[in-house]
Amino acid sequence: DAMVIQNPRYQVTQFGKPVTLSCSQTLNHNVMYWYQQKSSQAPKLLFHYYDKDFNNEADTPDNFQSRRPNTSFCFLDIRSPGLGDAAMYLCATSIDGGQQETQYFGPGTRLLVL
Amino acid sequence: GIQVEQSPPDLILQEGANSTLRCNFSDSVNNLQWFHQNPWGQLINLFYIPSGTKQNGRLSATTVATERYSLLYISSSQTTDSGVYFCAVEGGDNYGQNFVFGPGTRLSVLP
Repeated sequence: DAMVIQNPRYQVTQFGKPVTLSCSQTLNHNVMYWYQQKSSQAPKLLFHYYDKDFNNEADTPDNFQSRRPNTSFCFLDIRSPGLGDAAMYLCATSIDGGQQETQYFGPGTRLLVL
Repeated sequence: GIQVEQSPPDLILQEGANSTLRCNFSDSVNNLQWFHQNPWGQLINLFYIPSGTKQNGRLSATTVATERYSLLYISSSQTTDSGVYFCAVEGGDNYGQNFVFGPGTRLSVLP
């Protein structure tokens, strides 16, 4: 089945130690998104790629970076995780980023910072 | 930016009961979707509904764009309906790549 896959499902890192979360998709969608969802809060968009074009939300901290080496894969890099970065990180895709499209979400990676 | 409110914040139901969840938004929208997040964190799209009414089994949704609200109806609720229901919108001046999520309604269906 075509889907959005996130690995690992749970990630533990140490304060200040760089960590990378991965997302892959078999839907062949042009747009990939990364959301951060803290406990009991709504998902918040960090950035998205339209093909290779990177779009950063204005309030996304510089500590968060992303890479999209090809259509199928997208990575979220947290350069120096702080305790406040502990959250669920959700990857999503959409066909072409148009105004009438749905977004398809992966199962998420729950990040714990010690 | 566009503001999204959802009510009620929490809802507890007995299995078999019906419920209505509401989403209010502050500006015109090009896209509105309802999502269900299950207890394991998976977000599932329920409806794409910027206007009008749709039904899918026990769920239905209505959006009145001119009055800036949307309703999600759950009939004959089941324990598997538990989780958080989010309304997400894209504002009229965006090209559809910036969803804003409401705070969600946490639903607990008791057996």
